[in-house]
Amino acid sequence: AQSVTQLDSHVSVSEGTPVLLRCNYSSSYSPSLFWYVQHPNKGLQLLLKYTSAATLVKGINGFEAEFKKSETSFHLTKPSAHMSDAAEYFCVVSEPYSSASKIIFGSGTRLSIRP
Amino acid sequence: DAGVTQSPTHLIKTRGQHVTLRCSPISGHKSVSWYQQVLGQGPQFIFQYYEKEERGRGNFPDRFSARQFPNYSSELNVNALLLGDSALYLCASSPRDRGFGSAETQYFGPGTRLLVL
Repeated sequence: AQSVTQLDSHVSVSEGTPVLLRCNYSSSYSPSLFWYVQHPNKGLQLLLKYTSAATLVKGINGFEAEFKKSETSFHLTKPSAHMSDAAEYFCVVSEPYSSASKIIFGSGTRLSIRP
Repeated sequence: DAGVTQSPTHLIKTRGQHVTLRCSPISGHKSVSWYQQVLGQGPQFIFQYYEKEERGRGNFPDRFSARQFPNYSSELNVNALLLGDSALYLCASSPRDRGFGSAETQYFGPGTRLLVL
């Protein structure tokens, strides 16, 4: 069965320090993995996606994520946090050639940035 | 280019009423999906439509229905509203049917916030 777990419901970092948002997944196949960001009163925006090409994926706004099959992880990182990064982040897993119902969102991680 | 648009932005209904939410996809996108996001949780998949046909359905009761029109816009209908239907309803569009490959990126609208009293 397919599932996704975001290990932290809330992460707080100081501006200028690194960000790490953790995501573990479970899938019977080689899944596609996504990170989306949701700012207050805004729609979900794609940060990056992994589709079985390079395991280190670079996204927008300086974010990147590394697919580690042995650890079934897809953690999101950024070297230096900015105040504008404060938002809710969702890890998403999707199995190949599956029905639309096989798209699973994690429960989200709220990122707070301290000045 | 205009993104995915949804209307209305906010809605207040009472239990037992019916609601219709509307979505216009990005121009050229033929697939529309609907999600329910309850406060504090991640979005849950409700429906996907492609070329006016239902392609997938999540674990929601029959009170939830949807359709897609020839111009690829879509409506989500919910009958006999319950308090638990209060949520942010998100619409997402993508160029193709998700069955062609799960790597398809979905583009989300801002959502309709529904409050059931």
